[in-house]
Amino acid sequence: ETGVTQTPRHLVMGMTNKKSLKCEQHLGHNAMYWYKQSAKKPLELMFVYNFKEQTENNSVPSRFSPECPNSSHLFLHLHTLQPEDSALYLCASSQGSGRLAGETQYFGPGTRLLVL
Amino acid sequence: GDSVTQMEGPVTLSEEAFLTINCTYTATGYPSLFWYVQYPGEGLQLLLKATKADDKGSNKGFEATYRKETTSFHLEKGSVQVSDSAVYFCALLAGNQFYFGTGTSLTVIP
Repeated sequence: ETGVTQTPRHLVMGMTNKKSLKCEQHLGHNAMYWYKQSAKKPLELMFVYNFKEQTENNSVPSRFSPECPNSSHLFLHLHTLQPEDSALYLCASSQGSGRLAGETQYFGPGTRLLVL
Repeated sequence: GDSVTQMEGPVTLSEEAFLTINCTYTATGYPSLFWYVQYPGEGLQLLLKATKADDKGSNKGFEATYRKETTSFHLEKGSVQVSDSAVYFCALLAGNQFYFGTGTSLTVIP
């Protein structure tokens, strides 16, 4: 399998549940990202990992907890979410964490999350 | 700070019509500019990019020219097809950060 994969593709959870989103990249990239995509809003960068180290946390609430065990895998652990957290969560990877001119991000298909 | 502004949608065109989606940017230094496309149910994928002034990116009949004097990177296609229906995002890479516009939804009707 190539590119960036995400599981699950759809998730419905209650506010008291705990769930995890998974992302895997097969591109040999060193950087991985979590974005939140909500209707009528720009993509919101949540977290950046470079060589497994978190380099960016854009003031994301602690109910979102990322984990990057290696350069190919990225998780987003969710607990006690709110209905306003319902959105499409996109994972992306890139070669150099934005340090390369023209560096392209490769996106997964996203996980559509609904919080009830 | 660095940012990208793109025209609001939605845009609806008839097949074979000419498409322009405007994008302007604010950035210091020499940013790279991108257009990404998102088809229904999928993630974003790179459509084209340009890394320096006057560069033209092109792919699948789409073109955009990096204009430093007007800080613009407008997306154009001479003849759109139904299969071009998607959401288009202008993006900027500057200072090791990626910035995305709000997206412009395009619907092409037969």
